[in-house]
Amino acid sequence: GAGVSQSPSNKVTEKGKDVELRCDPISGHTALYWYRQSLGQGLEFLIYFQGNSAPDKSGLPSDRFSAERTGGSVSTLTIQRTQQEDSAVYLCASSALANSYNEQFFGPGTRLTVL
Amino acid sequence: AQSVTQPDIHITVSEGASLELRCNYSYGATPYLFWYVQSPGQGLQLLLKYFSGDTLVQGIKGFEAEFKRSQSSFNLRKPSVHWSDAAEYFCAVVRMDSSYKLIFGSGTRLLVRP
Repeated sequence: GAGVSQSPSNKVTEKGKDVELRCDPISGHTALYWYRQSLGQGLEFLIYFQGNSAPDKSGLPSDRFSAERTGGSVSTLTIQRTQQEDSAVYLCASSALANSYNEQFFGPGTRLTVL
Repeated sequence: AQSVTQPDIHITVSEGASLELRCNYSYGATPYLFWYVQSPGQGLQLLLKYFSGDTLVQGIKGFEAEFKRSQSSFNLRKPSVHWSDAAEYFCAVVRMDSSYKLIFGSGTRLLVRP
C-alpha cells in the first residue's frame, strides 16, 4: 500500500558516466511517467508508459536518455554519458489509468548531480 | 499548445494572513487543472483539481481554487496561512493527448513570516 518509491534518493556521478534511476509505481497502476525538475527548465515531461502500449518518448531531451518498464511495473531511466546539464531531480509518477481524471501520484525523486 | 503561467516566482506572507497564488493557462477547450505542492525534499502532492462543474473547488489543507474561464485563470487561495504551508506550489494542466501528461507552470515559492 506504499506510494511511489524511487532509488537512489541521491546520485552523484562524474561527467561521462552512465546512471540508472529506478521507479517502483503504486501496485496496480498501469500508467507511469518520468518528469525532470531542473533550475533552468522547471518541471518537464520526459516519458510515459501505459500497459503494453508503445511508450511516449516525446519529452526525452536527447538519445542519451532511455527508459524501460519491465513487466508493467518497475521502470528504469538510464542516462548515458552524463553531462552537467543532466543535473536535476528526476521524478516518477504513476496513475491508475492514463486519462485526464486520474491523479498522478509522485515519488520523492532522485537528485542527480553530475560533476 | 497548452501552457501554464505562474507569474509570481516568490511570495511572502505573514502567518495568519490570506494567500492567493496566481495561475493562468492557455487552452482552447475546457482545461483539466491541478495544483500541486512540493515541500523541501519531497515529491509533489496534489492539493486540488478541476475538471468541470462548480468553478470553486476545495482541496486539502484548507486550500481552494477558482476556475475563471473569462480570465483563463485558476488561482489558489487560502484564508489563513500556517507556517507549515511554506513550500513550492505548481499549477498544471493536462495535455489532452494519449498520455495525459502534465504541463506545469514554473512554480511559486511561498515564504511564511512568523
